[in-house]
Amino acid sequence: DTAVSQTPKYLVTQMGNDKSIKCEQNLGHDTMYWYKQDSKKFLKIMFSYNNKELIINETVPNRFSPKSPDKAHLNLHINSLELGDSAVYFCASSHSRLRGLGETQYFGPGTRLLVL
Amino acid sequence: AQSVTQLGSHVSVSEGALVLLRCNYSSSVPPYLFWYVQYPNQGLQLLLKYTTGATLVKGINGFEAEFKKSETSFHLTKPSAHMSDAAEYFCAVSRTAGNKLTFGGGTRVLVKP
Repeated sequence: DTAVSQTPKYLVTQMGNDKSIKCEQNLGHDTMYWYKQDSKKFLKIMFSYNNKELIINETVPNRFSPKSPDKAHLNLHINSLELGDSAVYFCASSHSRLRGLGETQYFGPGTRLLVL
Repeated sequence: AQSVTQLGSHVSVSEGALVLLRCNYSSSVPPYLFWYVQYPNQGLQLLLKYTTGATLVKGINGFEAEFKKSETSFHLTKPSAHMSDAAEYFCAVSRTAGNKLTFGGGTRVLVKP
């Protein structure tokens, strides 16, 4: 049973294209996140949703648009892809902070995006 | 604002030797601290975390870390390295709205036979 799953695992595309990455969690969590890991392995949060509501939106270009159809899914759509978007994108989930403090985030396997 | 500094982007240890990975944080409020491990081409897995209470925290795979408030540190140790410990290790802090994790730059551990 995969707790946090992402599709696709690999994505190779041309500059200017639009692509989506899907994330699903079966842990019963109500908070989900997107993180970006660059080529130097640096990890930075992009977005967070709690119960389908956007609660964190870091300084991410508006070409990136997250969508949460329900609390088990958080998708990431990227318009007009650029070379600099090449990275590994990780989805994560956790219980809400309202449940307790320091909730553990569980990460998906990542989507490796390469923009040519 | 919170920040995390991991000293040493690469650490090489011999199998059976002590593993010590250093993490210092900056936080205006009492932090929650985490260590995650990332094996090649995989996602991140939680090793251990500190929220409140006992400052020496034990995690999976024989790792432990000690929260030292006076030194703003949360160093990770394992008494005896195993070949399977070769991976990237990330220290992270949270205590802000939305529970976002702020990561250090990571430390790659190489284990020599």
